[in-house]
Amino acid sequence: DTGVSQDPRHKITKRGQNVTFRCDPISEHNRLYWYRQTLGQGPEFLTYFQNEAQLEKSRLLSDRFSAERPKGSFSTLEIQRTEQGDSAMYLCASSPQRQGFAYNEQFFGPGTRLTVL
Amino acid sequence: DQQVKQNSPSLSVQEGRISILNCDYTNSMFDYFLWYKKYPAEGPTFLISISSIKDKNEDGRFTVFLNKSAKHLSLHIVPSQPGDSAVYFCAASWTTGNQFYFGTGTSLTVIP
Repeated sequence: DTGVSQDPRHKITKRGQNVTFRCDPISEHNRLYWYRQTLGQGPEFLTYFQNEAQLEKSRLLSDRFSAERPKGSFSTLEIQRTEQGDSAMYLCASSPQRQGFAYNEQFFGPGTRLTVL
Repeated sequence: DQQVKQNSPSLSVQEGRISILNCDYTNSMFDYFLWYKKYPAEGPTFLISISSIKDKNEDGRFTVFLNKSAKHLSLHIVPSQPGDSAVYFCAASWTTGNQFYFGTGTSLTVIP
């Protein structure tokens, strides 16, 4: 396992369509994060999973967005009824939970670039 | 509201010299800080981190300094190399570590 993978790398869709992205974290990592990044900005936190439990969601995550992590392995991020403002890079990251460490660095995937026409 | 700020969008440095990238934060609850490097078409790559119990952390050519009273951190790269040319993001979090806040990035160009 060489790192976090995301699929697809690019997605072009028409406004109003639904899209789904997949993230496969590093296999032993139990923490998984989704971020959104637009041009000239840093990654903005969307949501966080610890194993299969979604423990935190940003206010940025409107009800058109839903994320899942069944069985605590891969995760999917779905956007329903896409809008042009959803165009962005969607990044997934994972991190381990090491005994005795409160913090751990995140390992990012290459991202999925979404373009909504 | 931008809780982590990188006020310099770009920086150019001659090869072999020191690169200093700056980051300011507003939330005094932040107690863990990280620097990431990002190349085009790739996700950010972790570089170095520091917790608030320290004021300095070194890893090879990279050193991060934290000034808690000023709510300021900086990344020093010595000596700078052309391969260091990338966008650098600082990020911050607090005790639960569930949410990380990123700055807007500084694009570093190291001139051979």
